[in-house]
Amino acid sequence: GAGVSQSPRYKVAKRGQDVALRCDPISGHVSLFWYQQALGQGPEFLTYFQNEAQLDKSGLPSDRFFAERPEGSVSTLKIQRTQQEDSAVYLCASSPVAAWTEAFFGQGTRLTVV
Amino acid sequence: GQQVMQIPQYQHVQEGEDFTTYCNSSTTLSNIQWYKQRPGGHPVFLIQLVKSGEVKKQKRLTFQFGEAKKNSSLHITATQTTDVGTYFCAGPAGGSQGNLIFGKGTKLSVKP
Repeated sequence: GAGVSQSPRYKVAKRGQDVALRCDPISGHVSLFWYQQALGQGPEFLTYFQNEAQLDKSGLPSDRFFAERPEGSVSTLKIQRTQQEDSAVYLCASSPVAAWTEAFFGQGTRLTVV
Repeated sequence: GQQVMQIPQYQHVQEGEDFTTYCNSSTTLSNIQWYKQRPGGHPVFLIQLVKSGEVKKQKRLTFQFGEAKKNSSLHITATQTTDVGTYFCAGPAGGSQGNLIFGKGTKLSVKP
């Protein structure tokens, strides 16, 4: 079946704008993760959902970042009042069971804040 | 805080040469995962190691998990141009239910 799908693939936002990034995980996958990847760096954890429950949001850099997965499938990462340091690739990943197993990553959304 | 470190940061090899990347954690890990990210692509899962001293092979790739479960390595025999990419190791953050801490990766380039 289809893999993890993220939209949009590219987003340019003016500083101060709000953005919403969407993730469609693989159908039936219990776990969903959001990561932020700066150029030349490894992915950095933002938040983790098990079904609709957000079990770990310790990686969200500020209260401008908010994530939800209301029905346990599609997830949205929202960034309010974007700043230049928010420019990065935002990766979503899902896995069929609880955490610490193989994660399937989407292609990511490249956010550029100008 | 907990860290996962990888060396080298970059490796340039001639096609046919071997390649090794090393991963070290500041804490004992319950498991370690390896991912490969091609240029412009997304991370793709390669393998997970769980047991102390575990060695797993996938064709030309050999993965090891150290006895103390704090270090790991990935060795590629006779590199090919298709091996080009960045190799990341990742381990669970202590006390977290979903936080995987990634190393900064080793970027491999292969000269034909």
